[in-house]
Amino acid sequence: AQSVAQPEDQVNVAEGNPLTVKCTYSVSGNPYLFWYVQYPNRGLQFLLKYITGDNLVKGSYGFEAEFNKSQTSFHLKKPSALVSDSALYFCAVNTGFQKLVFGTGTRLLVSP
Amino acid sequence: KAGVTQTPRYLIKTRGQQVTLSCSPISGHRSVSWYQQTPGQGLQFLFEYFSETQRNKGNFPGRFSGRQFSNSRSEMNVSTLELGDSALYLCASSSGTALDEQYFGPGTRLTVT
Repeated sequence: AQSVAQPEDQVNVAEGNPLTVKCTYSVSGNPYLFWYVQYPNRGLQFLLKYITGDNLVKGSYGFEAEFNKSQTSFHLKKPSALVSDSALYFCAVNTGFQKLVFGTGTRLLVSP
Repeated sequence: KAGVTQTPRYLIKTRGQQVTLSCSPISGHRSVSWYQQTPGQGLQFLFEYFSETQRNKGNFPGRFSGRQFSNSRSEMNVSTLELGDSALYLCASSSGTALDEQYFGPGTRLTVT
């Protein structure tokens, strides 16, 4: 079965510092990987995706993700965190016909 | 361009009742997917419709059903509600290919008492 794993329930980082939210995947074939963010009482917002090509993917709000095939990882990164980045982050893989399988989510807390 | 809209936003129902949730996709999108979000199980895929046809279905009992209309609007129905059906139900729309991102609505918060 195709899946993604987010090993950290919560990540704490100080404002201005770089942040990383981890995701590993288990996929047969080419992985279609996505990152979404969820703010309280809101739906999910798309951040970025990896389909093929460059291993470094740039997305919305200054986020980027690095696809690493040998380590089967797709970590989300941002060079300088903002307090407003505090939210719940989900990694997901498309397993076909728009079925997204999500990770368990990582809560990011950015302190002032 | 208007985003994905879901109605109602909040709903309180009693065990044994049935409920219908509605989703209007982004204009031009032909695919609508439904997800259930709970603290215990996380985000789980319910089903996906494309051009009025169900293309994919998650591992949920038959009490959960859906449909899509010719204008791409979609509804999902849950019959014989159980307490465990309390959740945030999210709808997402896209063009319909696996390469494309899905755009989510704000969700319908269903509480079953």
